[in-house]
Amino acid sequence: SQQGEEDPQALSIQEGENATMNCSYKTSINNLQWYRQNSGRGLVHLILIRSNEREKHSGRLRVTLDTSKKSSSLLITASRAADTASYFCATDGQETSGSRLTFGEGTQLTVNP
Amino acid sequence: DAGITQSPRHKVTETGTPVTLRCHQTENHRYMYWYRQDPGHGLRLIHYSYGVKDTDKGEVSDGYSVSRSKTEDFLLTLESATSSQTSVYFCAISEVFGRETQYFGPGTRLLVL
Repeated sequence: SQQGEEDPQALSIQEGENATMNCSYKTSINNLQWYRQNSGRGLVHLILIRSNEREKHSGRLRVTLDTSKKSSSLLITASRAADTASYFCATDGQETSGSRLTFGEGTQLTVNP
Repeated sequence: DAGITQSPRHKVTETGTPVTLRCHQTENHRYMYWYRQDPGHGLRLIHYSYGVKDTDKGEVSDGYSVSRSKTEDFLLTLESATSSQTSVYFCAISEVFGRETQYFGPGTRLLVL
């Protein structure tokens, strides 16, 4: 399986600090996506980075992709209590056809006020 | 969650009973997906649809069937519910098949006793 795996499983920080989450995967990909899930809610798409991109920004989010290491990181700068959520990476696979987005188990981020 | 609703949002049922979950979208997206989310497994794809009456199996399709008679509705049926099907079920939609951004509904929490 080329399932993404997030690291750490849980992260607790203070408001204003930066939060970094990592995702590793096993096989070559076309795209990697990050999603956020608030407790009791559905997943919300944050950002998509393609295999030929190395870095992408969206507001306070910065995503990097290192295809040689098969890894990605999500950085949230100047975190807020509202950023408390689970964060998932999702990868596709160049070898798989169809809809096979594969999700990791997520990083639970807690931002303390 | 905008544009995607799931019903019911919560359901308790007994082993052996049939259960149908409904996903309704107002975005007119062609592609629809059913996932289940369980601790330790992340999100796993059950079935997906690439058009009216066009469906296919995902990673964990045993014990589930789906139907799509209209663009806006995608039904997931548990023919004879088992305790192992206790989970949170998410519907997702996308404009582009699979590898691109998917938009998720709010989820249905199912408990099979």
